[in-house]
Amino acid sequence: DGGITQSPKYLFRKEGQNVTLSCEQNLNHDAMYWYRQDPGQGLRLIYYSQIVNDFQKGDIAEGYSVSREKKESFPLTVTSAQKNPTAFYLCASCEVGWTGELFFGEGSRLTVL
Amino acid sequence: GDSVTQMEGPVTLSEEAFLTINCTYTATGYPSLFWYVQYPGEGLQLLLKATKADDKGSNKGFEATYRKETTSFHLEKGSVQVSDSAVYFCALSDQSAGNQFYFGTGTSLTVIP
Repeated sequence: DGGITQSPKYLFRKEGQNVTLSCEQNLNHDAMYWYRQDPGQGLRLIYYSQIVNDFQKGDIAEGYSVSREKKESFPLTVTSAQKNPTAFYLCASCEVGWTGELFFGEGSRLTVL
Repeated sequence: GDSVTQMEGPVTLSEEAFLTINCTYTATGYPSLFWYVQYPGEGLQLLLKATKADDKGSNKGFEATYRKETTSFHLEKGSVQVSDSAVYFCALSDQSAGNQFYFGTGTSLTVIP
């Protein structure tokens, strides 16, 4: 089945550590996105990529980094510079130039101890 | 810029009650409109969509009509069930804004037996 796989589903991190969240899709989509969701709030865009080897900052990129070396993969690194990293992280993808929907992964919950 | 405003929750209804969740939007181009649903601890799933004015999206008893004159896309269901308890997000996609998606803050719905 086609879809988006995020891992790990739950992750605990000590303060000062970097952590990388994985996102893999087999939908052959060009565009991929990372969102952050905090309790009772909507989705905030961290980074997005519309093509391999290119990505753009979203609204809250500070303290995060991404890479897009392969079409199917868009990992997100939460660095120690991110002051409040505890959140639910969602990866999504879609076709570029298409009025279709955004497809989401199941999410990764990061907790900083 | 583009934006989505949706009714704040939480909303609590009795089973078989009528549901309306209001959503209005601002867009520079001709957006596609979506409703997504999120169950606890999961990613977002597409509930329904409409790609042009006067289109009606429908799925699982939910409906929403794309009203350009009032810039609205209100979600309705005639008879809610306990299993409809979730968070609902209104969203738009505006190709003229570079394949970006804009989400409302979400409305939490609880249906009680």
